[in-house]
Amino acid sequence: SQTIHQWPATLVQPVGSPLSLECTVEGTSNPNLYWYRQAAGRGLQLLFYSVGIGQISSEVPQNLSASRPQDRQFILSSKKLLLSDSGFYLCAWSVIRGRSEQYFGPGTRLTVT
Amino acid sequence: SQQGEEDPQALSIQEGENATMNCSYKTSINNLQWYRQNSGRGLVHLILIRSNEREKHSGRLRVTLDTSKKSSSLLITASRAADTASYFCATAGTTTGGTSYGKLTFGQGTILTVHP
Repeated sequence: SQTIHQWPATLVQPVGSPLSLECTVEGTSNPNLYWYRQAAGRGLQLLFYSVGIGQISSEVPQNLSASRPQDRQFILSSKKLLLSDSGFYLCAWSVIRGRSEQYFGPGTRLTVT
Repeated sequence: SQQGEEDPQALSIQEGENATMNCSYKTSINNLQWYRQNSGRGLVHLILIRSNEREKHSGRLRVTLDTSKKSSSLLITASRAADTASYFCATAGTTTGGTSYGKLTFGQGTILTVHP
């Protein structure tokens, strides 16, 4: 069965510090991968998606970047965090050709102080 | 941009009652999905309904889709305290050239509270 991992679960970082959030998927090959951000009490905002190694599409201009160094690894990064980067970050995967159901990781709660 | 808009924003009911949540969207879709999120957790896929379907059932869940009105509803029958969560609709857009990247557009969600 497929499993998706995210770490860390919680992170408190000062403004201006770098960020690296990691997401890995097990039990499937060549998945589509997604990074979302969720503000408190709000819906999900798609930040990045990837259809293959090294292929990243950005949905919104921002202070963040994403990379996919391996088939089942997706990394969200920032060189200098802003207060507005605080939120709940969710990674998800789906099959490339299919009905597009997405399967979510447990999320990372990021607080920028 | 957010396409799905859920209504109501919050719903509070007693155990055993039915809960109905509505979702409206703006553009043509390939399918519409409903997800559930417990507080502080990731989302869990509940049910998918294709654009050529009108109704779908899964256990205590019933989803309807009206593409002419660009709306969907999720009905949870005989609700339980464990159903307390946020519920989101998400739309998958139509594709061109047969390529689908599986992108979804999520609504703002309905917070459901079921009192024991």
